[in-house]
Amino acid sequence: QVQLVESGGGLVKPGGSLRLSCAASGFTFSDAYMNWIRQAPGKGPEFLGFISPSGTLYYADSVQGRLTISRDNAKNSLYLQMSSLRAEDTAVYYCARGQWVFDSWGQGTLVAVSS
Amino acid sequence: DIVMTQSPDFLAVSLGERATINCKSSQTVLSISNNKNFLAWYQQKLGQSPKLLILWASTRQSGVPDRFSGSGSGTDFNLTITGLQAEDVALYFCQQYYGRPPTFGGGTKVELK
Repeated sequence: QVQLVESGGGLVKPGGSLRLSCAASGFTFSDAYMNWIRQAPGKGPEFLGFISPSGTLYYADSVQGRLTISRDNAKNSLYLQMSSLRAEDTAVYYCARGQWVFDSWGQGTLVAVSS
Repeated sequence: DIVMTQSPDFLAVSLGERATINCKSSQTVLSISNNKNFLAWYQQKLGQSPKLLILWASTRQSGVPDRFSGSGSGTDFNLTITGLQAEDVALYFCQQYYGRPPTFGGGTKVELK
């Protein structure tokens, strides 16, 4: 079955950087649109961006310039590079499969931005 | 961005009773070109990630029990759970995918009365 496993979260200081990973299995990763979505405590999810099977990127304006999404189809892996982190970036970060609608989500990895 | 507003924030329902959650979008999510509403519903149980229940406003995802149904069009939508089960206690979110970026509602928490 579809499995998505995020890793790389943790505590980071304001202004710092972090790279998240998502390991995928159970489906043809290279054919899938893959997304990063985050959920701050007590809030609804927030779409961050996607990478298409061909590598086309789309980012939400709210994070444009601070986030970089990439993929390695040979490793069935998705990545999120985050920089200039702020307290309001504190959230659980999920990778999810799908184009605009998300039919499979990972368990999430917590990113906490605090001094 | 299209703003999604859900109501109520909390809903307490007895076992076997009906739960209805409302979701309103700040702009229409109905496509004139294909007459489809670009609206999805997710369920998030405590400590878990969201699970897709319904897309196109009323199409159940494979494996979703038929006690879950979606309705509505344009800017006003409902998710109805007919005959609430204990395992339905969860947070429910709507999401529009008509505008860019896709946006989610703030969530409705369904609890047992």
